[in-house]
Amino acid sequence: DQQVKQNSPSLSVQEGRISILNCDYTNSMFDYFLWYKKYPAEGPTFLISISSIKDKNEDGRFTVFLNKSAKHLSLHIVPSQPGDSAVYFCAGEREKTSYDKVIFGPGTSLSVIP
Amino acid sequence: DVKVTQSSRYLVKRTGEKVFLECVQDMDHENMFWYRQDPGLGLRLIYFSYDVKMKEKGDIPEGYSVSREKKERFSLILESASTNQTSMYLCASSRPDRGASPLHFGNGTRLTVT
Repeated sequence: DQQVKQNSPSLSVQEGRISILNCDYTNSMFDYFLWYKKYPAEGPTFLISISSIKDKNEDGRFTVFLNKSAKHLSLHIVPSQPGDSAVYFCAGEREKTSYDKVIFGPGTSLSVIP
Repeated sequence: DVKVTQSSRYLVKRTGEKVFLECVQDMDHENMFWYRQDPGLGLRLIYFSYDVKMKEKGDIPEGYSVSREKKERFSLILESASTNQTSMYLCASSRPDRGASPLHFGNGTRLTVT
């Protein structure tokens, strides 16, 4: 049972345009949602997060939107740059007493075409 | 800047061999994790540790064990390697914080079991 879903395995976008990466979840107990970016031959790096009580968080070119009623979130990248080409993982995080349980989606591969 | 170092980038082992994957972090993080990444499945948690000598099973612990004798080091052990354990293995660390606790990943070990 996949608790975090990314239904688009890949996405291609022209440089300068908006990239929209989507994520759906089934577990209502997540306290935070995080996006990670992964280049080939490197580990994932944290990009941006959002609390489950917020509906938007912005950091430079990256904005995450959360629609709790639809159990859906999206990452917007504006404007897209060739260096944004990577695999993006959506993750749900649930706070526990001594650790946070994190569930990852399968990832979406973004290609930004110059 | 947090650094998580995995001892090997690539490993090739034979079926039945005992395999050790080593991970060291330099930021005094309490939590350490082992994930495996497979196409279409995202990152799946094998084991984690929130303190020295403490370990907890993740979602797919079968066929694996771990060791955490020092805070900075977390080892993953494949007791008897099998071909279905061919995968990318990622170590991560985090500090438990109020709020989202982003994971800091190493660059991964690509393990092939023949």
